[in-house]
Amino acid sequence: GAGVSQSPSNKVTEKGKDVELRCDPISGHTALYWYRQSLGQGLEFLIYFQGNSAPDKSGLPSDRFSAERTGGSVSTLTIQRTQQEDSAVYLCASSAGTGKDEQYFGPGTRLTVT
Amino acid sequence: AQSVAQPEDQVNVAEGNPLTVKCTYSVSGNPYLFWYVQYPNRGLQFLLKYITGDNLVKGSYGFEAEFNKSQTSFHLKKPSALVSDSALYFCAVRDSTNAGKSTFGDGTTLTVKP
Repeated sequence: GAGVSQSPSNKVTEKGKDVELRCDPISGHTALYWYRQSLGQGLEFLIYFQGNSAPDKSGLPSDRFSAERTGGSVSTLTIQRTQQEDSAVYLCASSAGTGKDEQYFGPGTRLTVT
Repeated sequence: AQSVAQPEDQVNVAEGNPLTVKCTYSVSGNPYLFWYVQYPNRGLQFLLKYITGDNLVKGSYGFEAEFNKSQTSFHLKKPSALVSDSALYFCAVRDSTNAGKSTFGDGTTLTVKP
């Protein structure tokens, strides 16, 4: 079956513009996660969804960042008024559930803010 | 709060020699521990996990990891390294009391030389 897919794979945007990043999880996976990976750095947790609910939004860096998930499937991460420090690879992952289940990662979206 | 530490940014080993990549963690409840690998230009892949039970867990590509509760460690090991094992390795932890959020270490770059 298909893995986690993300679109676009690359996005170049001007400072101040809004961007939307999309994630399609593995079918049937109830949990979905967003992370940010800066060059040479580890993974920074942003938010996770259980179904359509986001129990933990603690990792969102500022109120410019928001995410939603609809139908227990596709998720969109939106960054408003992008800044240069938002440049990073944004990774999405899904898992069958939370807690004990491993995560399956998408290929990421490389965001460059000029 | 939960945290993970990977004390070595870089590990270098010769092909055929055993390898160890270190990971220590801190959680309030019981730990759920994971290792992931990121090959160049490829997404993160799950290697193995410890949830409960036997302290020695075996995973993909001949890797194994040993859970040590007293030392709060979960080191990744392989008896005989291959050049193709060269990659970036991440340790991750979830706290059983907050099972949705995963915290990743900063990663360890493993280089296996022929």
